[in-house]
Amino acid sequence: GAVVSQHPSRVICKSGTSVKIECRSLDFQATTMFWYRQFPKKSLMLMATSNEGSKATYEQGVEKDKFLINHASLTLSTLTVTSAHPEDSSFYICSARDDFRGTSHYEQYFGPGTRLTVT
Amino acid sequence: AQSVAQPEDQVNVAEGNPLTVKCTYSVSGNPYLFWYVQYPNRGLQFLLKYITGDNLVKGSYGFEAEFNKSQTSFHLKKPSALVSDSALYFCAVRDGRGQGGSYIPTFGRGTSLIVHP
Repeated sequence: GAVVSQHPSRVICKSGTSVKIECRSLDFQATTMFWYRQFPKKSLMLMATSNEGSKATYEQGVEKDKFLINHASLTLSTLTVTSAHPEDSSFYICSARDDFRGTSHYEQYFGPGTRLTVT
Repeated sequence: AQSVAQPEDQVNVAEGNPLTVKCTYSVSGNPYLFWYVQYPNRGLQFLLKYITGDNLVKGSYGFEAEFNKSQTSFHLKKPSALVSDSALYFCAVRDGRGQGGSYIPTFGRGTSLIVHP
């Protein structure tokens, strides 16, 4: 099956520093990748959608200069949280989709998530 | 605009009993519907999907879901619950118009399923 990895699984950083989270599709080409943030009361918030080789599309209210997303290849997307603050502490989940696999597919494959704690 | 409602924040069921997790949706075109499960501190795992065809869809771990167009519902069901089924369940919908493209699925708020021994 399709596998998506995320690295790191947990990261603790100091306020004001930047953190990069990697999302890789291991056995398929991810034409579209999504970044979500999950809050303690479980709801998923879509932060942005990216297509390989183009700029990410950010959801309303998500600061693009703070959450930098790069979808440089069909197997890798990165999320960089710049100048992190304690309120950025959260569980970040990436997801990938292969839009070229025909109309019988369209499910998203999720990474295991990254727990970010900003102190 | 598309939307998904999971009206129950939590569902409690005894092991061995049937379970149902509810989902209703709203979408302009034909709905593509999905169920995902999330275990603690993990990403979401795909369970099953409805794209077209038979209204009863069977998925992983013995789960199934029934697409009901008139009621715009896609409830998740399992005939006999296991304690290990305890997790967070998300329903999602996307507009089926076109192929691939930028159509983005909308997720429900999630339902916590607790199966008691």
